[in-house]
Amino acid sequence: DTAVSQTPKYLVTQMGNDKSIKCEQNLGHDTMYWYKQDSKKFLKIMFSYNNKELIINETVPNRFSPKSPDKAHLNLHINSLELGDSAVYFCASSLRTNTGELFFGEGSRLTVL
Amino acid sequence: SQQGEEDPQALSIQEGENATMNCSYKTSINNLQWYRQNSGRGLVHLILIRSNEREKHSGRLRVTLDTSKKSSSLLITASRAADTASYFCAPFTNAGKSTFGDGTTLTVKP
Repeated sequence: DTAVSQTPKYLVTQMGNDKSIKCEQNLGHDTMYWYKQDSKKFLKIMFSYNNKELIINETVPNRFSPKSPDKAHLNLHINSLELGDSAVYFCASSLRTNTGELFFGEGSRLTVL
Repeated sequence: SQQGEEDPQALSIQEGENATMNCSYKTSINNLQWYRQNSGRGLVHLILIRSNEREKHSGRLRVTLDTSKKSSSLLITASRAADTASYFCAPFTNAGKSTFGDGTTLTVKP
């Protein structure tokens, strides 16, 4: 049983399109995150939700909109995709904010052509 | 947000040797964590050290933390080919923020 699962694993799309990545965790954790890993492996936090409430919103273009329908799900919607959005997006969860260990999904590789 | 910076960027050793990776950060932390990432996979948590701890062990892993120098090190003893991966440090603030660095790529040759 996968603890943190994200779909799709691969996404190839044209510039200007809108796309979504979904994430679900079955660990009963309160906090979920989205990270972006660029081609140089640099991994940067984008958003964090605790019990469906946004608690971290780093400097991310407002074309990126996270949505948390419940504490087990955190989806990422991206409007008007740009070439620079190509990256691997990782979802993660932790028991609570500040409690340590993050559990990561396997990543969603987005390629914008 | 807080960012860890790993050093060296790449490390290549023979099986059985020890591997040491370093991490530096800039501001106060609540804890610092180390993660491993195999190629094409998600990150896996290895060990967490709190700001009031100086050293921690887990199996073949030994982590040290020097908050006065804002640095940490990860030692992998008796390395194996399966340890080949990228290793990231993540310093966490009290607000739960962290940004990982670009990692140390470790290659262990059989």
